Amino acid sequence: GENVEQHPSTLSVQEGDSAVIKCTYSDSASNYFPWYKQELGKRPQLIIDIRSNVGEKKDQRIAVTLNKTAKHFSLHITETQPEDSAVYFCAPREGAQKLVFGQGTRLTINP
Amino acid sequence: SQTIHQWPATLVQPVGSPLSLECTVEGTSNPNLYWYRQAAGRGLQLLFYSVGIGQISSEVPQNLSASRPQDRQFILSSKKLLLSDSGFYLCAWSWSSGNTIYFGEGSWLTVV
Repeated sequence: GENVEQHPSTLSVQEGDSAVIKCTYSDSASNYFPWYKQELGKRPQLIIDIRSNVGEKKDQRIAVTLNKTAKHFSLHITETQPEDSAVYFCAPREGAQKLVFGQGTRLTINP
Repeated sequence: SQTIHQWPATLVQPVGSPLSLECTVEGTSNPNLYWYRQAAGRGLQLLFYSVGIGQISSEVPQNLSASRPQDRQFILSSKKLLLSDSGFYLCAWSWSSGNTIYFGEGSWLTVV
């Protein structure tokens, strides 16, 4: 099955700075790469995703980059704000039906 | 639009008691349905997924079971809860041909 690792497990940045979280996966057949954000006590919600035929996708302050050769994709958050504090999960798709979640990265934005 | 409902939101159950969590999806037909569990401060573990009525795939051998008696209904059950079953249980759905999964609001289970 898919082996997914996220780094770092915790990340603390100053408000206004950028944050980058990396996700590595093992299944070369994976073709869908989402990132979810989970605020404390709430459900995970999709914030951005990318398909294997695209190398980068951007949505305002959030971007995802994909390196299929190296089997990793990264979440980039620029101009961080306090409301960006949350746990972020990558979840590359394995097979036709399943998303395999990483262990999460706890991001803290310091004012 | 599509919505997903999950209940109960919280429950406290003694060890050895049964469990039933229910999830329904509205506004779509033939969705893929999922049960995930999240232990405190941990990642999401896929427990079961279903691509149709009566079709259940189990990801982790344990004392839990799942059933899909209707197209948009997914039930998570246990006959005898263990302390280690405590956690945040999330039901989710996706289009049958889609990629993105959408989570319900979750059920907090504490086994005492």
